[in-house]
Amino acid sequence: EAGVVQSPRYKIIEKKQPVAFWCNPISGHNTLYWYLQNLGQGPELLIRYENEEAVDDSQLPKDRFSAERLKGVDSTLKIQPAELGDSAVYLCASSSGSGSYEQYFGPGTRLTVT
Amino acid sequence: GENVEQHPSTLSVQEGDSAVIKCTYSDSASNYFPWYKQELGKRPQLIIDIRSNVGEKKDQRIAVTLNKTAKHFSLHITETQPEDSAVYFCAAFVNDYKLSFGAGTTVTVRA
Repeated sequence: EAGVVQSPRYKIIEKKQPVAFWCNPISGHNTLYWYLQNLGQGPELLIRYENEEAVDDSQLPKDRFSAERLKGVDSTLKIQPAELGDSAVYLCASSSGSGSYEQYFGPGTRLTVT
Repeated sequence: GENVEQHPSTLSVQEGDSAVIKCTYSDSASNYFPWYKQELGKRPQLIIDIRSNVGEKKDQRIAVTLNKTAKHFSLHITETQPEDSAVYFCAAFVNDYKLSFGAGTTVTVRA
C-alpha cells in the first residue's frame, strides 16, 4: 500500500512569492491533515479535512494561507505571499476516519524562504 | 486546548541499555496517545499507540504505559540499538480529532 505522497520535497523561494504544496493521502483515507513543523519542534495542526470539507481550520493563518481538497482526495496548501518566518517543513497526514485515530504522515515539503 | 509536555529533550544511552521518555497532558478528555519516531529528514512514523482504556501496551522492544489519573504516559525502549537513534514525539488526541504533539526527544544510542 502506498503511503502519503507529497510534492515537492524541497522548495526555495524569495519572500513575497507564492508557493503551493500538494498531498495525496493513502487510498481510502477520508481525513486529511496539514501540519507545520518548525525545526526542533513537534508538528502543529494547520487544517483538517473530512472528505472535501475543512472541519478545523482554526490554526490556519487565513490572511496568507489557503487550502483546498476539491474532490475529497488530493489537497493543496498555498501560501501567498510567503514570509521569512514561513520557512519550515509542511507535513500532510491522513487517517481513515470512522473512529480510527491512527494518522500516517507524508515525507513533508521543506520550505526555505529567502 | 491540549498541552503536551515531553521530557527529556535529549537522551543518550549506551547500546543495549533502556531508554525512557515521559509525557504529560492537560486535557482529561484525551483518549488516544501515539508515539512517533522521526529520523533526520524523514516522515514521522507511528511506532506504538495506546488508548485510554488500557494501562500498558508492548510491541517487541517498545512499550508504552499510561496513567490516566496522573495524566502522564511513557515510552520504554529496551535493548536499544543504533537504529533506535532518532527524534521521538509523543502526542495526545482529543475527541475532536486533534493531535497535540510534544516538543520531541532526541535519542542517541552510543555503540
